[in-house]
Amino acid sequence: ETGVTQTPRHLVMGMTNKKSLKCEQHLGHNAMYWYKQSAKKPLELMFVYSLEERVENNSVPSRFSPECPNSSHLFLHLHTLQPEDSALYLCASSLTAGGRAYEQYFGPGTRLTVT
Amino acid sequence: TQLLEQSPQFLSIQEGENLTVYCNSSSVFSSLQWYRQEPGEGPVLLVTVVTGGEVKKLKRLTFQFGDARKDSSLHITAAQPGDTGLYLCAGDPANDYKLSFGAGTTVTVRA
Repeated sequence: ETGVTQTPRHLVMGMTNKKSLKCEQHLGHNAMYWYKQSAKKPLELMFVYSLEERVENNSVPSRFSPECPNSSHLFLHLHTLQPEDSALYLCASSLTAGGRAYEQYFGPGTRLTVT
Repeated sequence: TQLLEQSPQFLSIQEGENLTVYCNSSSVFSSLQWYRQEPGEGPVLLVTVVTGGEVKKLKRLTFQFGDARKDSSLHITAAQPGDTGLYLCAGDPANDYKLSFGAGTTVTVRA
């Protein structure tokens, strides 16, 4: 496969469930990102990993827990979510150098519904 | 966070018409990117502009970066239904690993 892939594409979970979102990039990039996209709101950056080290936690609630085991894989672990967490969750990757990010390449997203 | 404002928020036109989408900021960016996002999918990178005053063309799409590198525009000539989507601009501030995204312009091209 090429590009950035995300699984699952759709997820429905109850507020007491625990689930994980997976992202994989095949572009040789060294930075990965999680974004949340809600209706009528700009993209919200959640987490950034550069060279497998978390460099940004954008005031995200602790019920979201990221994991980056290597430069190609990124996970978002979910537990005890709220209905307002329902959104499209997007993963992206890019090259970074000197503290800068270059073009970001996005996966297709996971549509999450919390019931 | 450096803000990017996109206008208009929504645009609905007939097939064959032209349209322009704007992306403005009070901040300077080292580069600016345009993405198109279709419903249920992730944004797809269309173009990156780097030099002030730069114009790039991608078939019927023309992208321009302002001379001061604070704004950009996207012009579509003879729009087609396949151009329908959410158009996002994103600025690279050069001193940060984060891109600043605009809220997007939803373009609908009616057949």
